[in-house]
Amino acid sequence: DTAVSQTPKYLVTQMGNDKSIKCEQNLGHDTMYWYKQDSKKFLKIMFSYNNKELIINETVPNRFSPKSPDKAHLNLHINSLELGDSAVYFCASSPDSGGGYTFGSGTRLTVV
Amino acid sequence: AQSVTQPDIHITVSEGASLELRCNYSYGATPYLFWYVQSPGQGLQLLLKYFSGDTLVQGIKGFEAEFKRSQSSFNLRKPSVHWSDAAEYFCAVGGGTASKLTFGTGTRLQVTL
Repeated sequence: DTAVSQTPKYLVTQMGNDKSIKCEQNLGHDTMYWYKQDSKKFLKIMFSYNNKELIINETVPNRFSPKSPDKAHLNLHINSLELGDSAVYFCASSPDSGGGYTFGSGTRLTVV
Repeated sequence: AQSVTQPDIHITVSEGASLELRCNYSYGATPYLFWYVQSPGQGLQLLLKYFSGDTLVQGIKGFEAEFKRSQSSFNLRKPSVHWSDAAEYFCAVGGGTASKLTFGTGTRLQVTL
């Protein structure tokens, strides 16, 4: 059973397109996150949702829009993709009890 | 603002040798500290975490880390490195419940046979 699953694993698309990445967790965690890992391996938080409510929104272009239909899902939609959006995007979740963060296996987005 | 510094970008050790990866953090309250490992093309796997209590924490794969509040450090150690330990290691700090993790820039570990 995969705890935090992301789809797709790889995504290659042209500039200007709109794409979505889906994330689901079956851990019963209350908070979900999106992190971006750039080409230098630096990991930075983008968004965080707690029980479907947005609680963290870092300085991210408004072309990026997270959506949480329920506590177990957090999707990331990206409009008008740019070359600089190429990165690996990680979904993660954590319980309100503070037990730690579980990461998905990542989605490698390549914009050409 | 919270931050993490991993001073070593790249470390090379021989198989069987001991390992210590350094991590210094800045956090305004009691920190929650983590070490993650990332193999090439893979996701992030949690090695160990510190929330409170005993300052020496044991993790998976034979790793341990020691929390030193006076030095704001959380260094990762392993007494004998295996070739399969070659990977990128990330230290992270957070505030616990529903708070963000701030990562260091990572240390790439290379293991020579």
